[in-house]
Amino acid sequence: QVQLKETGPGLVQPTQTLSITCTVSGFSLTSYYMQWVRQTPGKGLEWMGFIRSGGSTEYNSEFKSRLSISRDTSKNQVFLKMNSLKTEDTGVYYCARGATRVSYWFAYWGQGTLVTVSS
Amino acid sequence: EIVLTQSPTTMAASPGEKVTLTCRASSSVSYMHWYQQRSGTSPKLWIYETSKLASGVPNRFSGSGSGTSYSLTINSMETEDAATYYCQQGSSYPWTFGGGTKLELK
Repeated sequence: QVQLKETGPGLVQPTQTLSITCTVSGFSLTSYYMQWVRQTPGKGLEWMGFIRSGGSTEYNSEFKSRLSISRDTSKNQVFLKMNSLKTEDTGVYYCARGATRVSYWFAYWGQGTLVTVSS
Repeated sequence: EIVLTQSPTTMAASPGEKVTLTCRASSSVSYMHWYQQRSGTSPKLWIYETSKLASGVPNRFSGSGSGTSYSLTINSMETEDAATYYCQQGSSYPWTFGGGTKLELK
């Protein structure tokens, strides 16, 4: 069955770079868009961006200048990297997938990984 | 950016009561999608493309709407329905979520 699991650092210092890995099983990354969504106390749920089945990306302009999404299809992993972290970036980061190859909603979610930005 | 405004922010309903949650978009969207989230867990897809129930969602739930106004209705409130519900649009970048409605049991 479809499974997604995020792995993150837990604690990140302000100004540093956040790196999170989403490991998937039950499907191929070359067949589906993979999404990143975060949930913060200040802004709630926010769509961050996605990587298409073909490997191109789309980002929320809110994060565009500091966000990068990539993948390793051989390892069934999707990566989120975001630099210049601020305390407001504290929250839970989710990877998600649509129901079909191109979906405009999120049918499957990982458990999320809590990221705390603090010195 | 399309802003989604959910109302009410919080509400309480008694078992058996009919409940309607509303989501208004700042510009017209093609569809609205809804998620249920319980404390400490990931959001779950609940309703997609405005009115289609996700797998496993009880048929006491329904969704409707068009343009800028959408709603999620529970025909008869049950204990397990207490949760926070979020709407989401994927019609226009950036995709956005509403602020949520926290539904409590009275």
